[in-house]
Amino acid sequence: GQNIDQPTEMTATEGAIVQINCTYQTSGFNGLFWYQQHAGEAPTFLSYNVLDGLEEKGRFSSFLSRSKGYSYLLLKELQMKDSASYLCAVMDSNYQLIWGAGTKLIIKP
Amino acid sequence: ETGVTQTPRHLVMGMTNKKSLKCEQHLGHNAMYWYKQSAKKPLELMFVYSLEERVENNSVPSRFSPECPNSSHLFLHLHTLQPEDSALYLCASSQVGPGSPGTDTQYFGPGTRLTVL
Repeated sequence: GQNIDQPTEMTATEGAIVQINCTYQTSGFNGLFWYQQHAGEAPTFLSYNVLDGLEEKGRFSSFLSRSKGYSYLLLKELQMKDSASYLCAVMDSNYQLIWGAGTKLIIKP
Repeated sequence: ETGVTQTPRHLVMGMTNKKSLKCEQHLGHNAMYWYKQSAKKPLELMFVYSLEERVENNSVPSRFSPECPNSSHLFLHLHTLQPEDSALYLCASSQVGPGSPGTDTQYFGPGTRLTVL
């Protein structure tokens, strides 16, 4: 079966750095997405990785290792507004998106 | 502003009611999706429309009935729902739809929070 694993919840301090991990076992791979979802709001697209390595976009970076079936989202200089759920999703060989259950990130002052 | 709107944002209905959820996308996309989101569970894909044709129906109970009159509008008709159907229902759109090669980012609406009493 296909599976995406990510931690259920994480807590971090304002101004700090946090890394949210995602591991996957899917039928093929055509890219990995990260989305941010604030409570009661739409998931919004953060990043897409299809090649190994690190993609940086401002305070957020996303890393992919296809051989390990592993990705992480790195958030730097955390702000209170970063409190949200972060969803990892993988596009399989049929170009279908397989979703993780999301990681709820709590930022404390 | 996501370019995808959903109405209503909140809905409370009894098990014998009939209601409809509406989604509209202003992005010029060709594919639209309905998802169910329950607490601490992955997004569950319910239906996919590509160029107004249903291309996926993931074993969804018949009490949920989708309708896609054109590429910009998507409806989810609800009737005789059960309390376990209470969830956040998300609509999304993308440029080309599933099964098409290449990056096809999905853009989501804010969802309808449905409570079935």
